[in-house]
Amino acid sequence: NAGVTQTPKFRVLKTGQSMTLLCAQDMNHEYMYWYRQDPGMGLRLIHYSVGEGTTAKGEVPDGYNVSRLKKQNFLLGLESAAPSQTSVYFCASSTRTGTYSNQPQHFGDGTRLSIL
Amino acid sequence: GESVGLHLPTLSVQEGDNSIINCAYSNSASDYFIWYKQESGKGPQFIIDIRSNMDKRQGQRVTVLLNKTVKHLSLQIAATQPGDSAVYFCAEKVPGGSYIPTFGRGTSLIVHP
Repeated sequence: NAGVTQTPKFRVLKTGQSMTLLCAQDMNHEYMYWYRQDPGMGLRLIHYSVGEGTTAKGEVPDGYNVSRLKKQNFLLGLESAAPSQTSVYFCASSTRTGTYSNQPQHFGDGTRLSIL
Repeated sequence: GESVGLHLPTLSVQEGDNSIINCAYSNSASDYFIWYKQESGKGPQFIIDIRSNMDKRQGQRVTVLLNKTVKHLSLQIAATQPGDSAVYFCAEKVPGGSYIPTFGRGTSLIVHP
């Protein structure tokens, strides 16, 4: 039972390079999320998706793009990496939520990204 | 304890003690609250949740208390074990929109054997 799988686990980039982080879930969840976590801080939402083919901005979307071409996959792209994007990135998924539907998120184990 | 806007606090306890981790949430309209545990090098893991129409909910060795009057949430861990050492996050959800949870900054729990 894999749950949420993130690849790669670690990556070092140079300023200006681009890359894509991949998140895959095998729980048939409708919702998927990308967060970043910086030292001493909680999780900040970058982008999220409420279903295949749809995406929306979160709290800190600048410098990132996302795509949800398949229900099970959610990709996070860095167009031109900057040192400020050095962080740990977490992907999560959950079942469809509504005002009175409460389901917790399932998280991957993160991608540790360093921008030099 | 933990509060959105403050740097990461730390709670140190001895094995076998009871631990209480606090969280001051920000929105009085929040109606669902979740506690997560994050071990070093891992993603957050769901522990327990509570809806706003409840004051208390118990799980295995854990209890969550909700005080809506002062917008305060606490996680109590009974007979704390070294394996409980982790960062604990609370999250709140506000009705409406896409109902995405907002996370606090976490409390680091260190359990000494």
